[in-house]
Amino acid sequence: GESVGLHLPTLSVQEGDNSIINCAYSNSASDYFIWYKQESGKGPQFIIDIRSNMDKRQGQRVTVLLNKTVKHLSLQIAATQPGDSAVYFCAENIGGTGRRALTFGSGTRLQVQP
Amino acid sequence: DVKVTQSSRYLVKRTGEKVFLECVQDMDHENMFWYRQDPGLGLRLIYFSYDVKMKEKGDIPEGYSVSREKKERFSLILESASTNQTSMYLCASTGNRGLSTEAFFGQGTRLTVV
Repeated sequence: GESVGLHLPTLSVQEGDNSIINCAYSNSASDYFIWYKQESGKGPQFIIDIRSNMDKRQGQRVTVLLNKTVKHLSLQIAATQPGDSAVYFCAENIGGTGRRALTFGSGTRLQVQP
Repeated sequence: DVKVTQSSRYLVKRTGEKVFLECVQDMDHENMFWYRQDPGLGLRLIYFSYDVKMKEKGDIPEGYSVSREKKERFSLILESASTNQTSMYLCASTGNRGLSTEAFFGQGTRLTVV
């Protein structure tokens, strides 16, 4: 079946550097994507979302890029901080119009070195 | 403050027991979901519900059932618990109003089957 997946299981960066987390998806009908952050012992928390009619969206220190041609999604974190250490998941909406259900990738662990 | 509440944070059950995991949301969301989370496998969708008394199978429904008798409550049932159902279980909800498909998650239930 179609699925959402991530390229790298673990990413280690130095504090202050920029981080890039990648995600590949295979459902060409998906129209909505979200990035979640999950800290140890907590449920996933929303970071940023993007619709398929956009190719870039910026938030505070985070940017999501969507390349529909190659079905690729990335999350960029600027000036990475120790508090950014967590597992990051991309998710896509599989519910279609009027119904909203999310399927998730396997996650990437971001480790920020001081 | 929006909230998804799971009834237990930690559970230990014996093989063969019938197990109920309860989830309640106070956001009047139409859609509710049960995921399990295992290392390296991300969040896998077990079952979801778009409305009261409605349910749909996710990616891994075998060994589970669900109940949605009220809009705010979505229960996951393990008919006869087995050791391979030891996992972290996460409940989530989404609403159909507005443009966002942001899912709100509970804190998770860590189930151990012995």
